[in-house]
Amino acid sequence: GAVVSQHPSWVICKSGTSVKIECRSLDFQATTMFWYRQFPKQSLMLMATSNEGSKATYEQGVEKDKFLINHASLTLSTLTVTSAHPEDSSFYICSATRQPTWEQYFGPGTRLTVT
Amino acid sequence: GENVEQHPSTLSVQEGDSAVIKCTYSDSASNYFPWYKQELGKGPQLIIDIRSNVGEKKDQRIAVTLNKTAKHFSLHITETQPEDSAVYFCAAGGNYGQNFVFGPGTRLSVLP
Repeated sequence: GAVVSQHPSWVICKSGTSVKIECRSLDFQATTMFWYRQFPKQSLMLMATSNEGSKATYEQGVEKDKFLINHASLTLSTLTVTSAHPEDSSFYICSATRQPTWEQYFGPGTRLTVT
Repeated sequence: GENVEQHPSTLSVQEGDSAVIKCTYSDSASNYFPWYKQELGKGPQLIIDIRSNVGEKKDQRIAVTLNKTAKHFSLHITETQPEDSAVYFCAAGGNYGQNFVFGPGTRLSVLP
């Protein structure tokens, strides 16, 4: 159990367009979902924490108007990168936690390339 | 906030040898310490974790030890195999996923 999926697995978009990434917990209801960004050969950096039905909490330095997070249900969170630019190219990974252990289960990631 | 350091950044071992990766953390309030394995192009996979009320935990070839007084914890992999080659990340945070910070990672290469 505890499978998290992401869609799409990779996406290429043109500068100025918006891209939506979906994160789903397939076999459990996720109390909280997290969004991370990972640049090549670097660690994961937390972007935001998302709870179902409430506004996401963004980490310092992350533009909430650029990275829109919607947590519509206990199994789905979406990240929309608005007006994407080449510097937004990265590997975006979501994770989901479930009670009572609160372990984080990670999705397979989405590679975004902005041209 | 929490700061997690991890050493070494790269580690090469011969197949069958043991590998040890160490992490230190700064926030004494952290009480959840997981280890993740990440293969190229994939998301991190939880391999073992430990909470502050336990000093050691073992799962087959993998073990984790925690010294809360010194604020460090270590991953031990015995009888390494080529498929253990990956990047390993430690992390530290609260019991509910709050203030979760990853270490910079260790690239482990197991040479056949």
